[in-house]
Amino acid sequence: DTGVSQDPRHKITKRGQNVTFRCDPISEHNRLYWYRQTLGQGPEFLTYFQNEAQLEKSRLLSDRFSAERPKGSFSTLEIQRTEQGDSAMYLCASSPSGGHTDTQYFGPGTRLTVL
Amino acid sequence: GQQVMQIPQYQHVQEGEDFTTYCNSSTTLSNIQWYKQRPGGHPVFLIQLVKSGEVKKQKRLTFQFGEAKKNSSLHITATQTTDVGTYFCAGGFKTIFGAGTRLFVKA
Repeated sequence: DTGVSQDPRHKITKRGQNVTFRCDPISEHNRLYWYRQTLGQGPEFLTYFQNEAQLEKSRLLSDRFSAERPKGSFSTLEIQRTEQGDSAMYLCASSPSGGHTDTQYFGPGTRLTVL
Repeated sequence: GQQVMQIPQYQHVQEGEDFTTYCNSSTTLSNIQWYKQRPGGHPVFLIQLVKSGEVKKQKRLTFQFGEAKKNSSLHITATQTTDVGTYFCAGGFKTIFGAGTRLFVKA
């Protein structure tokens, strides 16, 4: 399967702990996005990479959230000192770059539960 | 900031009936995309519209992009139970998603 993969698929953690998620995009895709989705809502933009450069970060994202894409391939999203309000599905998507081509291919997501 | 609104929030239809969901943006969009998310699944890309007034069809699905590039619609003809899910529109460079329209189809 050459689609977007995410690991882990599920994570249960206690409040205050740090968690890290990984996303492997489709190999030839330059752009990588992270979203958060809660029940009954659409995906909420968190951050976006063009190759290894983080070009945009949502103002909704607190300092506890950080994302990296060190070699322009896979990406990690870390949440420090998790809070119950962080419980959500974290989705990664990738897309080829250029022009109007913003079509995004989503991974299966990582479901985070903060107890 | 830019907002994308979708109506209705949900719709129940009898199998065979038509369904339409509408998407409105507070600002002009360079393009708009439609995604489908099945219950328990992740969003799956359906189509992208770029040109003002553009209409595209995929079998029973018809997508329209408004002349002002601020609104769009998705119409499904003769719904089937396999159409069940949430349909999202998304637009803008950061791909701002609407809250989606959840479709329920009764056999």
